[in-house]
Amino acid sequence: DAGVIQSPRHEVTEMGQEVTLRCKPISGHDYLFWYRQTMMRGLELLIYFNNNVPIDDSGMPEDRFSAKMPNASFSTLKIQPSEPRDSAVYFCASSRPGDEQFFGPGTRLTVL
Amino acid sequence: QKEVEQNSGPLSVPEGAIASLNCTYSDRGSQSFFWYRQYSGKSPELIMFIYSNGDKEDGRFTAQLNKASQYVSLLIRDSQPSDSATYLCAAGGATNKLIFGTGTLLAVQP
Repeated sequence: DAGVIQSPRHEVTEMGQEVTLRCKPISGHDYLFWYRQTMMRGLELLIYFNNNVPIDDSGMPEDRFSAKMPNASFSTLKIQPSEPRDSAVYFCASSRPGDEQFFGPGTRLTVL
Repeated sequence: QKEVEQNSGPLSVPEGAIASLNCTYSDRGSQSFFWYRQYSGKSPELIMFIYSNGDKEDGRFTAQLNKASQYVSLLIRDSQPSDSATYLCAAGGATNKLIFGTGTLLAVQP
């Protein structure tokens, strides 16, 4: 299995631009998680899905952030408009019910 | 607010020593506890999980859980330089949602 796949691995953009991060979970995993990691705040859960349905989006910082999971093999996290404080590493993870979460390689986002 | 607390470190131990990493959690409803290792620039990977009070051993790693004290620890015996990384403690409840601590940086000195 290829594991969780994320793209792009690095993204540099200017303030105000739209950013879209992509994730392909491990096949057969019902749960998909989006995290953000910074030095100051550590690893924060933004939103998670079960069977493509958003279950808890209480970690989404504000309306500029949105996430979708149109099918079992694809999810996106969009930031519009982006701001410098959004600079972080964004991880996607997937799991089976009650099982460990497997993390993707992450997307390092820099907003100038 | 549900929290998981860890000392940020760095925790420095000599090669061959026992490294002790600690974690406390605030939500008494937490049922499962996980230790992830994260090398610099890489993604977290699971080392161990524990659900029941007491100790759980896996090779050089031992996880300890004390629900009454809301305390979780990870012991690494015979520490190696390759163990140098950030160790993340996470607590989970009835759902698959995990709350992570900010991590402890471990440095094993050759």
